[in-house]
Amino acid sequence: GENVEQHPSTLSVQEGDSAVIKCTYSDSASNYFPWYKQELGKRPQLIIDIRSNVGEKKDQRIAVTLNKTAKHFSLHITETQPEDSAVYFCAANGSTGFQKLVFGTGTRLLVSP
Amino acid sequence: DSGVTQTPKHLITATGQRVTLRCSPRSGDLSVYWYQQSLDQGLQFLIQYYNGEERAKGNILERFSAQQFPDLHSELNLSSLELGDSALYFCASSVAAGVTYEQYFGPGTRLTVT
Repeated sequence: GENVEQHPSTLSVQEGDSAVIKCTYSDSASNYFPWYKQELGKRPQLIIDIRSNVGEKKDQRIAVTLNKTAKHFSLHITETQPEDSAVYFCAANGSTGFQKLVFGTGTRLLVSP
Repeated sequence: DSGVTQTPKHLITATGQRVTLRCSPRSGDLSVYWYQQSLDQGLQFLIQYYNGEERAKGNILERFSAQQFPDLHSELNLSSLELGDSALYFCASSVAAGVTYEQYFGPGTRLTVT
């Protein structure tokens, strides 16, 4: 089945810096890659997603890139702010029926003022 | 607010007991997914229902079961509870059955088994 690896597990940046979180997936049939932000004790919140027919997608300060050949996708946050501090999860849909999301293990992002 | 509701917010119960978690999807969404989040296992997919029918199964224990009712709300039943079942249980909903449709998560139910 699908396996998603996520790095780094923790990331500390200064306010205004950029942050990059990377994920790799194992199933070449996967075609949907969402990113979720989860604040402590709260629900995972969908922040951006990308489908396999595009290589990059942007939404204000966040962007996601996808390299299907390498089976690799990344989340880029520019001009980070303290409110960006949270745990970020990447995910990929599994090829078995494409009905479930397989999540990475999460990256704890800390943005210091 | 995602529009997905879950009750109860917190649940404390003893080992061996049975509990029911409830989820109401966003208005118009036909598909409901259940996930378990624990510290050592991360976010794990349990099961999916679409318009009342089971569509996909993940790492769901035999002690756990779920259903989706005609009004599209869903219930997750956990029985013979063990300490290791303590976790956050989320449901998510999407418009249709395919996973390429965005999934929106509810606030979760925190289950503590003592």
